[in-house]
Amino acid sequence: GAVVSQHPSWVICKSGTSVKIECRSLDFQATTMFWYRQFPKQSLMLMATSNEGSKATYEQGVEKDKFLINHASLTLSTLTVTSAHPEDSSFYICSAIDYNEQFFGPGTRLTVL
Amino acid sequence: AQTVTQSQPEMSVQEAETVTLSCTYDTSESNYYLFWYKQPPSRQMILVIRQEAYKQQNATENRFSVNFQKAAKSFSLKISDSQLGDTAMYFCAFMNPSGGGADGLTFGKGTHLIIQP
Repeated sequence: GAVVSQHPSWVICKSGTSVKIECRSLDFQATTMFWYRQFPKQSLMLMATSNEGSKATYEQGVEKDKFLINHASLTLSTLTVTSAHPEDSSFYICSAIDYNEQFFGPGTRLTVL
Repeated sequence: AQTVTQSQPEMSVQEAETVTLSCTYDTSESNYYLFWYKQPPSRQMILVIRQEAYKQQNATENRFSVNFQKAAKSFSLKISDSQLGDTAMYFCAFMNPSGGGADGLTFGKGTHLIIQP
């Protein structure tokens, strides 16, 4: 099956700093990628849809100025959490579509101190 | 908009037993895909099984099978001969395939399955 990578796998940062998370499709091209957020013992919540060469589409309630998404190529989407605060601490998962199936990255655990 | 409901927050069975996880959904679409994903403690999402709504035959993958009841909007997962490695969170998910699935997945809240030795 298709492989999606995420980097970093975990990150700790100070409150007020920005953090960038990369999502790559390793063996296929993905015009559409998705970013999810997952709190402990909860389900995945779709944050935004990332489309190559165009602006991301954000779900209701997600601050687009805080969670900046850039899909600059067919294999790379980035999520930047700007001016991170402790409430942004969470597990972030990306996925990419290949033939109507979503393939998930391993996730990034973000801890904001 | 579609919704996915998993009514069993947690289930526990003995190794080698058969267990069924429930999922119901609501949609006005006639064409859609349904999935079961497994999320072990590593938190990597793993596709367990997929069902296209237009197919009447229930999907099977080795020890995993589904009971897809389209009229009842029910999509349960049966795990036969359960193994310790099946311990994980299981999520039921819905996808509208129009536009290549660009709307993303709608997930249920999940069922934590524990296989006891």
